[in-house]
Amino acid sequence: KAGVTQTPRYLIKTRGQQVTLSCSPISGHRSVSWYQQTPGQGLQFLFEYFSETQRNKGNFPGRFSGRQFSNSRSEMNVSTLELGDSALYLCASRREYPYEQYFGPGTRLTVT
Amino acid sequence: SQQGEEDPQALSIQEGENATMNCSYKTSINNLQWYRQNSGRGLVHLILIRSNEREKHSGRLRVTLDTSKKSSSLLITASRAADTASYFCATDDSGGSNYKLTFGKGTLLTVNP
Repeated sequence: KAGVTQTPRYLIKTRGQQVTLSCSPISGHRSVSWYQQTPGQGLQFLFEYFSETQRNKGNFPGRFSGRQFSNSRSEMNVSTLELGDSALYLCASRREYPYEQYFGPGTRLTVT
Repeated sequence: SQQGEEDPQALSIQEGENATMNCSYKTSINNLQWYRQNSGRGLVHLILIRSNEREKHSGRLRVTLDTSKKSSSLLITASRAADTASYFCATDDSGGSNYKLTFGKGTLLTVNP
């Protein structure tokens, strides 16, 4: 079974631009979550989607948004990029039960 | 905020030795999971232990959970150079329909050949 895939793997953007990251979950997984990882703050939860609905949201500004499509694929968008948005963005998918989350390889975003 | 806090922050051992990492958390949890991350790559799920379980094994991994002390430990036996990675504990303290994991800052394990 194919794992979680994320595209692109690497991205360089300029401050003020916006970016869209994509995640394809494991087949049959309907829950998709996004996390941001930085050296300073570690791994932080962004949001979770299930059946095209956002069920939970972390403590991030409104510049961070996401959506999920009917095939469970998900995108996250960051608008008006700031230098501090440079991070590894990880997507994870899971079945409803059991609760193990399976992570993709991540998208490394660099904001200059 | 960080729920899980791993201890130690860094651990260096020789191949063949055992490695023990600890995790403490603050609130009641549904389950606790351990993940491995190799040098800035994605997280690999290692093991999940539910709040009503005390110990779980998977290959060379042994995880314990003490909910009264709000702590967990991960033991890797007979370590190999390939075990070199960062290890994170993550707690699920939300209801099943509002799922999110809260991660600690991790333990960097170095296994020297």
